[in-house]
This record gives sequence, C-alpha cells and structure tokens, in this order.
Amino acid sequence: AQSVSQHNHHVILSEAASLELGCNYSYGGTVNLFWYVQYPGQHLQLLLKYFSGDPLVKGIKGFEAEFIKSKFSFNLRKPSVQWSDTAEYFCAVKDSGGYQKVTFGIGTKLQVIP
Amino acid sequence: GAGVSQSPSNKVTEKGKDVELRCDPISGHTALYWYRQSLGQGLEFLIYFQGNSAPDKSGLPSDRFSAERTGGSVSTLTIQRTQQEDSAVYLCASSLTRQETQYFGPGTRLLVL
Repeated sequence: AQSVSQHNHHVILSEAASLELGCNYSYGGTVNLFWYVQYPGQHLQLLLKYFSGDPLVKGIKGFEAEFIKSKFSFNLRKPSVQWSDTAEYFCAVKDSGGYQKVTFGIGTKLQVIP
Repeated sequence: GAGVSQSPSNKVTEKGKDVELRCDPISGHTALYWYRQSLGQGLEFLIYFQGNSAPDKSGLPSDRFSAERTGGSVSTLTIQRTQQEDSAVYLCASSLTRQETQYFGPGTRLLVL
C-alpha cells in the first residue's frame, strides 16, 4: 500500500523567507505526485503535479517541487513566501496505473508572519 | 466552467440519525471520489466511482456508510445511524478520467451531536 509522510506539521515563517516542505512517499511502482493547497475557508486546490518528464515541476504562485526518485521525495519549495501563502499544504501520491486512488499526507500548516 | 459542488455545506445532526451528502462533479468527469478529513487527520479515502460503478469501496469505515452514483453524474454518500466519530469534513473530487488530476469540491462539514 502506498503512504505519504509530511515531516513538518506546522511551519511559521516571516515574509520573504524561503520555504521547503518535505514529502516522502512509499510505493514500489510508478507514481504521480501532487501538492494541493487549502487556503483558510477555501477548498482544496491543485498547486502542482508531476506525471512524467522534467522532475522539477513549477506550479502556481511561484511554487516548485522536485521529484527525486531515488529518495522517494517530492519536496515543495518557494524562494520567498508572502503572507497570502498562509494555508495548509497536502502532498499526495497515486499509482499511475490501477484505479487512481490518491493517498494524502497529513498536511502542513504554513503560517507566514508579515 | 463550474467546479465540483457539494451540498449541504454544513450539516448538524443528532447521534443515531441518517444523513445524505451530495456531490455534483464537473460535467463530463467519469471518475468520482469521496474522502473524509477529520480534525488533526489527513484526507482519508472512502470510495471511488468509475461511471456508476464502484470498483473500490475499501475505504468505507463501516457498513453504516454507503454511496451511489446515478447517471454517471451525481453521487450521494449516506451515513446511517450516525456516531460522533463520524464528525468530519466530507470531500468529493472528480476527474475527467481515472488517469487525470482530481478536482475537489468545497466539502460538507458534518457535526454529529
């Protein structure tokens, strides 16, 4: 069975600080990887995804993530966070075959202080 | 175009009552998923539909939970004899095909008193 670990459950940063949120997954097959974001009072939105090709994926709002297959990791990064990035971030993985069940991590709450 | 919609947005019920949660997926999306997000927990997969059939019901926590999908569109998640531990946000997602990205609805926040 696949699983996802997010190492940081609550992160507090000042504006302009750099961000890296860790995500590791366990699964033996080929995977698709996602980061979703949930802003306060809003529903889950796709931030970025990796299906194949360039392992460095760029998403919306200046976010990027790098898929490192050897480390089973898909860490999320942003060089300079803004107050508006305050949200909860979820890493997710799905089997690229099969019936496409998505397994989510527990989430990381990011608080950006102005 | 319209996204995934869910109703009601909030539901408060008494322990032992039945509840029905509705999901309207994005038009044309053949795959539909139900998840549950409990306080302090990640998203928990409940059930997946491909068209009207549910090839994977493995996530349903008990036989009090059931779901159906009709016309390849609207889905209803039913919880019978609700318990306090059923309190959570129930999220629905749909995707164009099972290989495509899932798009989430706003969720239904269920509180069982």
